[in-house]
Parts: sequence; structure tokens; C-alpha cells
Amino acid sequence: QLQLQESGPGLVKPSETLSLTCAVSGGSISSSNHYWGWIRQPPGKGLEWIGVIHYSGSTSYSPSLKSRVTISVDTSKNQFSLKLSSVTVADTAVYYCSRYSGTIGWFDPWGQGTLVTVSS
Amino acid sequence: DIVMTQSPLSLPVTPGEPASISCRSSQSLLHSNGYTFLNWYLQKPGQSPQLLISLSSDRASGVPDRFSGSGSGTDFTLKISRVEAEDVGVYYCMQALQTPLTFGPGTKVYIK
Repeated sequence: QLQLQESGPGLVKPSETLSLTCAVSGGSISSSNHYWGWIRQPPGKGLEWIGVIHYSGSTSYSPSLKSRVTISVDTSKNQFSLKLSSVTVADTAVYYCSRYSGTIGWFDPWGQGTLVTVSS
Repeated sequence: DIVMTQSPLSLPVTPGEPASISCRSSQSLLHSNGYTFLNWYLQKPGQSPQLLISLSSDRASGVPDRFSGSGSGTDFTLKISRVEAEDVGVYYCMQALQTPLTFGPGTKVYIK
């Protein structure tokens, strides 16, 4: 079965760049029908969509984060990545990666999530 | 952006009894292809969200049939026919009609 696993630093300093990777196992990231996405959840709060990428490289980002976000894909490693620049304490959150169906519009499955804290 | 709202935000439930959560969108989620792009997720305590319902009423694989989704346009409902203890957590609705994809604020379901 498809599994996703986030990895990356758990602590990032303000103004620096947050970098996370999502490793996909049990299936190929080069699926024409699916996108691969990032969603975040500040502690004790709700879910916020960050963006998605297709294996072809096509992306879609949240307008509120678009100026700071880059999502990329590495099909040779079956993984995709998130970079969020100029972070502030407001970017402290659990970051989830997930597969997104471009035709039906669901996120499934989700990775276990990784907490990223922005602090000096 | 499409704004999603949910009610109630907190729902005490009794095992064996039914429960219902409402979700509303600021605009219709009906696509020109005839599908309605509304999903439901459950985030159990300490876990990642899991897909329950897609396209307003399609149960995801492995989801018990006590969960059902209904609704159209802007008004949607998630129903649990008989609540079990394992159903506690936060339920989110999400619209996938257009980007930015947006989630409701969540409904926390807990045992009375």
C-alpha cells in the first residue's frame, strides 16, 4: 500500500528557509492521475493547504504562501519536496504530505506529519 | 476563496447513538462535470487526517458503512448512524472545486 514519509529539520530560525522532503513508497510518484501535496496544521489549529505538484512539474500554490513556496519533484528518488522561505513563528506547524487525486479531489493517504518549529 | 464553515464546532456523543455534522460552503461545489467536490476527513487524536468521504457521498475504501455523506450545492452533512468510541476526533470538510483548496474549521467529536 502507498505510504508517505516526511523528513527534515524540526527547528528553523526566523527568516531562514524551511525544507522538507516526502518519500513515497508502495507506488510510483509518476502517476498521471495524481498530484502530490503539502498541508500544514499549526499547533491546536485547523488544516491549511500549501500546494500540490504533478510529476510533470506542474504546480499549484496557495495564494497566501505563493511568494515564499516552492514544491519540486524528484521522480528518480520517488519523492517530492517543500521549501518555504523567510519563515516566521507563524509558520510553526505540523507539515503533512499527501497524494492528491486530480480527478476526484481528495487527499489520501497522508504522511504521519512532521513538526517544524520556527524559533531563534 | 471558497470559505467553509462547520457546525457544531464541538459535539458530545453517546456510543450507539447517531451523530451529525453540518458543513457549508460560500459557493456551490458543483462542477460542470456533474460532480460535487466536497470531502470529509477524520483526524483521530495524535494521528494524521484520514479520508472518509469524497464527492460529497462516496465512502473511501475501508470506511465503515455507519459513516455517510450527503448534500449538494452549498450544504452538506456527515452522519454517523451509531457512534463508536473509536470515532472520536476532529472532523473536517474540504472543498476541492477550485484552488486554493480550503478546509472547514473542524468539529471536535468526543464521548459524553
